[in-house]
Amino acid sequence: DAKTTQPTSMDCAEGRAANLPCNHSTISGNEYVYWYRQIHSQGPQYIIHGLKNNETNEMASLIITEDRKSSTLILPHATLRDTAVYYCIVRAHTGTASKLTFGTGTRLQVTL
Amino acid sequence: NAGVTQTPKFQVLKTGQSMTLQCAQDMNHEYMSWYRQDPGMGLRLIHYSVGAGITDQGEVPNGYNVSRSTTEDFPLRLLSAAPSQTSVYFCASSYGPYDRARNTIYFGEGSWLTVV
Repeated sequence: DAKTTQPTSMDCAEGRAANLPCNHSTISGNEYVYWYRQIHSQGPQYIIHGLKNNETNEMASLIITEDRKSSTLILPHATLRDTAVYYCIVRAHTGTASKLTFGTGTRLQVTL
Repeated sequence: NAGVTQTPKFQVLKTGQSMTLQCAQDMNHEYMSWYRQDPGMGLRLIHYSVGAGITDQGEVPNGYNVSRSTTEDFPLRLLSAAPSQTSVYFCASSYGPYDRARNTIYFGEGSWLTVV
C-alpha cells in the first residue's frame, strides 16, 4: 500500500469548513483513498473513500486531484464533535483488503 | 446488530502471563484483523485473516498468536506478556475485497492492556 503524508495538526472554527489535505504521490492505479477518524482513543470510524471521482456522503466530501497524487477531506460545517485524529489511507481492493497502513494522521481541533 | 465486539475492555497482566483478547463480529465478514496502537502513533497491523481457517502475519506479529475457527470469532493470544506489549488493541472486520460498496472496515472499541 502506498504511503501518505498529512499535516500533524490543524485548527478549525466551529461552523466553518475543515479542509484536511493528504499527499499520496506513489498511489497506484488500483488503490483507493480512504479516510478514517479516531475520536479520543475510540475505535477508528470510517468516513469516506474514493478511487478517482469526487465523493460525498452525509459526513464529508472527498476531492481527489486528477493525477490522484493528493486528496482533500472536507467537513463542510465542523462541530466540536469533529475534533479527532483523521487518517488518510490508500489501499487496493484486492488481496488482503483488511490490511490498512495507518500513518500518524492529522489532529483536527475544532474550536468555538 | 452489535458490530465488532471486543473483550475485555481493560486488563492488567504480569510479565510472563498469557491471555486471550476476544473479538467477535455479527456481520458475516470474511476479513478480520488485529491492530495495536501505542501512544501518539497510528495503528499497526498484528495479524489478519481472510476467512475461517486462514490467517497471516501483519507488521508486528511477534509475541502474538491468532486462529480463525469460525467466521465470527478471531481471538488474539499473548503467549508470554511483556511490558512492550502494553498498548491499546483494536479488532477490525470487513466484507471481501471485491465489493466496493461494502468494503468499509469496522473497528471494535478497543482493549486496553497493561503489562507490569
